[in-house]
Amino acid sequence: NAGVTQTPKFRILKIGQSMTLQCTQDMNHNYMYWYRQDPGMGLKLIYYSVGAGITDKGEVPNGYNVSRSTTEDFPLRLELAAPSQTSVYFCASTDRRSGNTIYFGEGSWLTVV
Amino acid sequence: ELKVEQNPLFLSMQEGKNYTIYCNYSTTSDRLYWYRQDPGKSLESLFVLLSNGAVKQEGRLMASLDTKARLSTLHITAAVHDLSATYFCAVEEDDMRFGAGTRLTVKP
Repeated sequence: NAGVTQTPKFRILKIGQSMTLQCTQDMNHNYMYWYRQDPGMGLKLIYYSVGAGITDKGEVPNGYNVSRSTTEDFPLRLELAAPSQTSVYFCASTDRRSGNTIYFGEGSWLTVV
Repeated sequence: ELKVEQNPLFLSMQEGKNYTIYCNYSTTSDRLYWYRQDPGKSLESLFVLLSNGAVKQEGRLMASLDTKARLSTLHITAAVHDLSATYFCAVEEDDMRFGAGTRLTVKP
């Protein structure tokens, strides 16, 4: 009963490095989302996907890239990390059927130094 | 662009009191969610509201949706310390946008 799984949970990056945050869901959901949450703030949408092969920008896409080659996986790529990308990142998924909620991963804490 | 506004952003309550958190949004969406977040944790789903006039209750929390007014409320009845957390509303269209959150502290 895994749900939405994110890795890694914690990571420290140096300025200019790149990395990928992994997100996998085992519920056959078509919709997937990536959010960032800065300390004491709400969630800002980075990218989302309505199905395999389809991705769209959210509110704060600059500095990130995504892909959706399968229904299960929705990795988030950070290129040339900057201190402003220090945040907690949450992946989420849903199938949009009536009454279904959106399921969140446990979060990935990223620090850029 | 879809905008979601919550108020108040900070709320300090005495145990046993009632209060309401408001969530206004800018579109005609009829899909609204309420979540709870404890410090250092992920988001926990509280309510899913999918039509005008929808009302859902769980324990001391009750959520409602008025799509014509583009307003949802989360009412807290007889607050207890365990309800201390941050509460978010979120509105769904093609994507899903969150309010800034209401940080609730319930004091003895």
